[in-house]
Amino acid sequence: AQSVTQPDIHITVSEGASLELRCNYSYGATPYLFWYVQSPGQGLQLLLKYFSGDTLVQGIKGFEAEFKRSQSSFNLRKPSVHWSDAAEYFCAVEKGGGNKLTFGTGTQLKVEL
Amino acid sequence: GAVVSQHPSRVICKSGTSVKIECRSLDFQATTMFWYRQFPKQSLMLMATSNEGSKATYEQGVEKDKFLINHASLTLSTLTVTSAHPEDSSFYICSARDHAAHSYNEQFFGPGTRLTVL
Repeated sequence: AQSVTQPDIHITVSEGASLELRCNYSYGATPYLFWYVQSPGQGLQLLLKYFSGDTLVQGIKGFEAEFKRSQSSFNLRKPSVHWSDAAEYFCAVEKGGGNKLTFGTGTQLKVEL
Repeated sequence: GAVVSQHPSRVICKSGTSVKIECRSLDFQATTMFWYRQFPKQSLMLMATSNEGSKATYEQGVEKDKFLINHASLTLSTLTVTSAHPEDSSFYICSARDHAAHSYNEQFFGPGTRLTVL
């Protein structure tokens, strides 16, 4: 069965600092990979996704993620964090087709001003 | 953009009663909707896949008689928690896949419904 690991439950960064959120997956083949952000009172919003091709994926709000097959990782990055980025971030994987997503446990991001 | 709404946003009920949660795609048609459950500080767990006009497909361990799902139209799916008990208290989230989306895999999520069973 596929699984997703987000090793960091909480991360605190200063506004303007760079950010990297880790995600590792366990799956025999290359799954479809996603990063979502969840803010209170709002639905999960898709930041970016990877299906194939270029392993560096650009998303919304200045986020990017890099797929590394050798490390089974799909880490999310942002060069300069804004206070409004404080939220819960979920990595998710999908075995090709069917749309069934398996989510990681999430990383709560706090941004210090 | 694609918007999914849920109603109610929060509900408190007595043990033994049934609660219905609605999930609507507001500006697109959704042949497939998904229902998730999220416990505090935990991940989203897929409960079931709801297909318009057919029976829902439940994930292993999810009681289909406890969590009734109806997807009667391309814009509405409902989840009914029957004979609710305190252990059913949770955050329920739905998502919908855009029937006409160029990106086959994109799901759009509702804001969630907080259920508290007393």
